[in-house]
Amino acid sequence: GAVVSQHPSRVICKSGTSVKIECRSLDFQATTMFWYRQFPKQSLMLMATSNEGSKATYEQGVEKDKFLINHASLTLSTLTVTSAHPEDSSFYICSAGERTGRKTEAFFGQGTRLTVV
Amino acid sequence: AQKITQTQPGMFVQEKEAVTLDCTYDTSDPSYGLFWYKQPSSGEMIFLIYQGSYDQQNATEGRYSLNFQKARKSANLVISASQLGDSAMYFCAMREGPGGGADGLTFGKGTHLIIQP
Repeated sequence: GAVVSQHPSRVICKSGTSVKIECRSLDFQATTMFWYRQFPKQSLMLMATSNEGSKATYEQGVEKDKFLINHASLTLSTLTVTSAHPEDSSFYICSAGERTGRKTEAFFGQGTRLTVV
Repeated sequence: AQKITQTQPGMFVQEKEAVTLDCTYDTSDPSYGLFWYKQPSSGEMIFLIYQGSYDQQNATEGRYSLNFQKARKSANLVISASQLGDSAMYFCAMREGPGGGADGLTFGKGTHLIIQP
């Protein structure tokens, strides 16, 4: 299947700093990528849809000024957590779809475990 | 109302037995796709199987099969001949729409499967 690479896998940052997470589709072009957040022992919640060449679409309740998304090319989307606080500590994971026939499969990156201290 | 319901928070199964993980969904969209993912403790989301709403046959991928009962809005995952390495969280997810990849997935709360020797 398609490969989606996410970096870094773990990051610890100080409160008030910003953290950038990268999501790359390695062997296909993705006009759309998705960012999810997962708290411990909970399910994945869609945060935003990243659209190549245009603004991201955020889910209700997600602050767009706090979670900046840039999708500058067909293979790269970035999520920047700005002015991070301890409550932003979570597992962030991206996905991208590859269309095969009538369906579009969704493949995930390895995830990024963010800890804000 | 929840769009994806997984009623089994945890399951213990003996190695080599078959396992059925329950998933029901709720949508009024005639076009949708159903996914199952495995999430081991490392956090990565491993794609297992996909079923489109218009697919006539139940999807199968190796030891994984999807018992798709459209009228009941049910999409249970069946794992045959379970192995110790199958121990993980399992998430059922749905994408609503014709499958062009423009929509993110809605996830269930997951089932923690533990395979016992």
